[in-house]
Amino acid sequence: QVQLQESGPGLVKPSQTLSLSCTVSGGSVSSGNYYWNWIRQLPGKGLEWIGYISDRGTTYYNPALESRAAISVDTSRNQFSLKLNSVTAADTALYHCARAKPRDHSGNSDWFDPWGQGTLVTVSS
Amino acid sequence: DFVMTQSPDSLAVSLGERATINCKSSQSVLYRPNNQNYLAWYQLKPGQPPKVLIYWASTRESGVPDRFSGSGSGTDFTLTISSLQAEDVAVYYCQQYYTTPYTFGQGTKLEIK
Repeated sequence: QVQLQESGPGLVKPSQTLSLSCTVSGGSVSSGNYYWNWIRQLPGKGLEWIGYISDRGTTYYNPALESRAAISVDTSRNQFSLKLNSVTAADTALYHCARAKPRDHSGNSDWFDPWGQGTLVTVSS
Repeated sequence: DFVMTQSPDSLAVSLGERATINCKSSQSVLYRPNNQNYLAWYQLKPGQPPKVLIYWASTRESGVPDRFSGSGSGTDFTLTISSLQAEDVAVYYCQQYYTTPYTFGQGTKLEIK
């Protein structure tokens, strides 16, 4: 059974870069034809999909965050990571990683399952 | 982007009673070639990983109690809990996976009356 666990600093200063990792256990990030996603839970505003990286390294981002987000994969550590630059207080959120199955060759995927329990990141000086 | 709107924002139901949460999409999530609705429902509890309850609008995930059911098509969907249990207290979200960017409803907080 695949499990995901997020990790990273809980406090980031404004204008700096948020860096988080998601460790995958019970499966491999480099096999199985999956998309590895980042999703955040904004206080009082619900869930926002950030983007994904495929097992082949293809990335796709939410246009709202595309200019600031970067997702990468480290197969040696069985992890994938998120970097979000130029953060502001509006980026304060609970950040989740999640897996999804690709649906077709269009880059779309199915529902998210499983998820990590999330890691809280606060942007404050 | 597809805008997903849930109602109500919060809901208090007595134990054993029915809970109904609605989700409306700004555009149809029905893919006519396969007649599937690209909509999922999730349950979020503090300190736990979010859990998928329903996908394809009405297919229950393995292990999810059968008191949870999903219905609807096109733009209007419903999550129903037929007999509320204490462990169902959570925030519930609908999500469209018809196309990117994937979007969620604003969430419905379910409590015990």
